[in-house]
Amino acid sequence: EAGVTQSPTHLIKTRGQQATLRCSPISGHTSVYWYQQALGLGLQFLLWYDEGEERNRGNFPPRFSGRQFPNYSSELNVNALELEDSALYLCASSLYENTEAFFGQGTRLTVV
Amino acid sequence: EDKVVQSPLSLVVHEGDTVTLNCSYEVTNFRSLLWYKQEKKAPTFLFMLTSSGIEKKSGRLSSILDKKELSSILNITATQTGDSAIYLCAAGGTSYGKLTFGQGTILTVHP
Repeated sequence: EAGVTQSPTHLIKTRGQQATLRCSPISGHTSVYWYQQALGLGLQFLLWYDEGEERNRGNFPPRFSGRQFPNYSSELNVNALELEDSALYLCASSLYENTEAFFGQGTRLTVV
Repeated sequence: EDKVVQSPLSLVVHEGDTVTLNCSYEVTNFRSLLWYKQEKKAPTFLFMLTSSGIEKKSGRLSSILDKKELSSILNITATQTGDSAIYLCAAGGTSYGKLTFGQGTILTVHP
């Protein structure tokens, strides 16, 4: 069974541009979570999607947004990129909220 | 604000040693505590502990939740070099969908 898959693996963008990151959850999982792991910092909660709706978001500005599609895959959009947005972005999925969450390999975003 | 603190921040041991990693949490309306192993990128799920499941074991790894002390431990017996990784602890509470992560413990196992 395939795990959580994320694309692209690496992404290099220029300050001010927009980045789009994609995530496919484990088959059957309806909840998708996004986390940011900046260098030297722990994982910070970004967003939670379930059944196509944004259910919760962390302390990040509105330029961090996303959506969940009918097949439960998700994308994270980061607008007006800043240098501080450089980080590993991890996606996780779970069967339901508050059940075991499994992570993908992440997308390394570098803003130059 | 929810908070998770892990200790020690780093640990160096030799193969065969037993290690205990600690995690303490301050989470409003605690619901679950999870342990992950992170080697390169993807954190790998190890255990999930809740009020209905306060002790878990898998092979050489085991974990216990102490709701009274608001803490958890992860034990690894007979360590191997392949156990070298960052071990992350995370807690879930009132804020649905959100896990609050600790800063991690870096475990290095020498041959």
